[in-house]
Amino acid sequence: KAGVTQTPRYLIKTRGQQVTLSCSPISGHRSVSWYQQTPGQGLQFLFEYFSETQRNKGNFPGRFSGRQFSNSRSEMNVSTLELGDSALYLCASSSTPGAGEQFFGPGTRLTVL
Amino acid sequence: GQQLNQSPQSMFIQEGEDVSMNCTSSSIFNTWLWYKQDPGEGPVLLIALYKAGELTSNGRLTAQFGITRKDSFLNISASIPSDVGIYFCAGLTWMDSSYKLIFGSGTRLLVRP
Repeated sequence: KAGVTQTPRYLIKTRGQQVTLSCSPISGHRSVSWYQQTPGQGLQFLFEYFSETQRNKGNFPGRFSGRQFSNSRSEMNVSTLELGDSALYLCASSSTPGAGEQFFGPGTRLTVL
Repeated sequence: GQQLNQSPQSMFIQEGEDVSMNCTSSSIFNTWLWYKQDPGEGPVLLIALYKAGELTSNGRLTAQFGITRKDSFLNISASIPSDVGIYFCAGLTWMDSSYKLIFGSGTRLLVRP
């Protein structure tokens, strides 16, 4: 069974730009969660999507948004990038929302200059 | 808000030694999870614990869900060089049909051959 895939793996943007990250969950998993990982703040939950609906949301500004498609693939968008948005963005899939057994992708390393 | 205190922050041990790390919180969790993250990769689920007092093993790894539901520990026996990485605990709690999954700050493990 293929694991969670994320594209791109690395991205460099400048302040003010926007970025879209993509995540394909494990086949059969319908829940996708997004996390931001930074050295200072650790792993922080952004949001979770299930059946194309946002089911849960963390404490991030509205510049961070996401969506899920009918094939369970998910995208995350960050608008008006700030230097502090530089981080590893991780996607995790699970069979149901709020399942502790989440399977993570390798992440997208975003650098904002 | 809810926080997980994970300790130690880092450990540098000799190959063959046993390792112990733990997470504590002032809040109660329904599920405890332990993940390992290798450099450049996403976290990989090691052990999931669902019941207070539960003791679960996965090879050389053993984890326990504290009886108070506010803590958990992970032991690694007879460490080997490939145990190197960052270990994260995570606590899952359900409230009012919504949930929170909170991660500890991680324990960085280095193993000296």
